[in-house]
Amino acid sequence: QSALTQPASVSGSPGQSITISCTGTSSDVGSYNYVSWYQQHPGRVPKLIIYDVSNRPSGVSNRFSGSKSGNTASLTISGLQAEDEADYYCGSYTSSSTVEGVFGGGTKLTVL
Amino acid sequence: QVQLQESGPGLVKPSQTLSLTCTVSGDSINNGPYYWSWIRQPAGKGLEWIGRIYSSGSTNYSPSLKSRVTISVDTSKNQFSLKLTSVTASDTAVYFCARGAAATWWFDPWGQGTLVTVSS
Repeated sequence: QSALTQPASVSGSPGQSITISCTGTSSDVGSYNYVSWYQQHPGRVPKLIIYDVSNRPSGVSNRFSGSKSGNTASLTISGLQAEDEADYYCGSYTSSSTVEGVFGGGTKLTVL
Repeated sequence: QVQLQESGPGLVKPSQTLSLTCTVSGDSINNGPYYWSWIRQPAGKGLEWIGRIYSSGSTNYSPSLKSRVTISVDTSKNQFSLKLTSVTASDTAVYFCARGAAATWWFDPWGQGTLVTVSS
């Protein structure tokens, strides 16, 4: 099963906004509003920051927002802070073969 | 709040079976429309979903691992387990257990993860 496609890296300066894309197919991102995003600092556990495309769990900063258009989902981080430097993964339900989930390859965010 | 903790051997020999257990605390594994997943991450690489189980025992597996994976649940102990047979060095990874919700696709919370190395 192919992973969702994410850019390997993105960067931004403190205070700026950045967007990370997550491209799938009509079997996953394009057909279901079941996209989630995770933040993972080095050596740490992935943390859910967006679920069902655009919903934030309790306690997650409103600087994180999610959206979707066609087969591509996006994570936007506004007002970049040094602590946002981490790896970000998207995930989606897929119906391409059997019930399963698929993750993106991950994006390294560098705060300059 | 719900917490998950993985346990099991950190070293497995090639061709043998990897066995891990995830203990759930803070709530019953039977409660809510949740399922219980295993996810792994090789060093320096991305996340790979392995499979999931409902408290009823119903399972779903990643097609790429399906022939080698078994996930089971013991509701009396509030635990679920992973068995991966015929392991090779490519199965070396940090293995996470996580809770997911039915009728959607997200994982929260996650266990701390446990490193399993496949080596002779």
